[in-house]
Amino acid sequence: GAVVSQHPSRVICKSGTSVKIECRSLDFQATTMFWYRQFPKQSLMLMATSNEGSKATYEQGVEKDKFLINHASLTLSTLTVTSAHPEDSSFYICSARPSGGPDTQYFGPGTRLTVL
Amino acid sequence: DAKTTQPTSMDCAEGRAANLPCNHSTISGNEYVYWYRQIHSQGPQYIIHGLKNNETNEMASLIITEDRKSSTLILPHATLRDTAVYYCIVRVGGGNAGNMLTFGGGTRLMVKP
Repeated sequence: GAVVSQHPSRVICKSGTSVKIECRSLDFQATTMFWYRQFPKQSLMLMATSNEGSKATYEQGVEKDKFLINHASLTLSTLTVTSAHPEDSSFYICSARPSGGPDTQYFGPGTRLTVL
Repeated sequence: DAKTTQPTSMDCAEGRAANLPCNHSTISGNEYVYWYRQIHSQGPQYIIHGLKNNETNEMASLIITEDRKSSTLILPHATLRDTAVYYCIVRVGGGNAGNMLTFGGGTRLMVKP
């Protein structure tokens, strides 16, 4: 149980294009999902907290107009990197907390974004 | 959330117990100790968490000192697949804790044959 998937697992795109990453909780509902970013040899950094049916809460320094988050259902959150640039190349990881369930978060396998 | 301190890296022989320490001397009474690990190029994996009592599950044991200022994650019989970065995180738990996790540097555990 408590499986979180991400799609795609890897994406390469040209500079200036937009990329959408999906995060799904497969066997539980998640009112809250989180998006993290991890650069090589660094730890995970929280980008934003996504709440179903409401606007995401972004961490300081994360541009909300560049990283669009939509959490339209209890099992799906999407992160869209708009007008991607090479400096956006990173490992993007989502996590989900079961609604009314154990107080922990379950992570997706991550999406590696490479912007050329 | 309380800050944690972990060794940067550790080695362990395959089949032996791996004991990973974590200091959290500023932990508050309502803060839990969580452990996650991240295998290379994968998302973090939840291992275990606790408040003040020792905890055990199928993956590991968590030993928390009586003053709660430090803890140890124990992998009883480490395998090569346990090679990963292990993160000790302290944060407020409880029913309304859809709170973010703040990841520090973690401990890079290398299990060797």
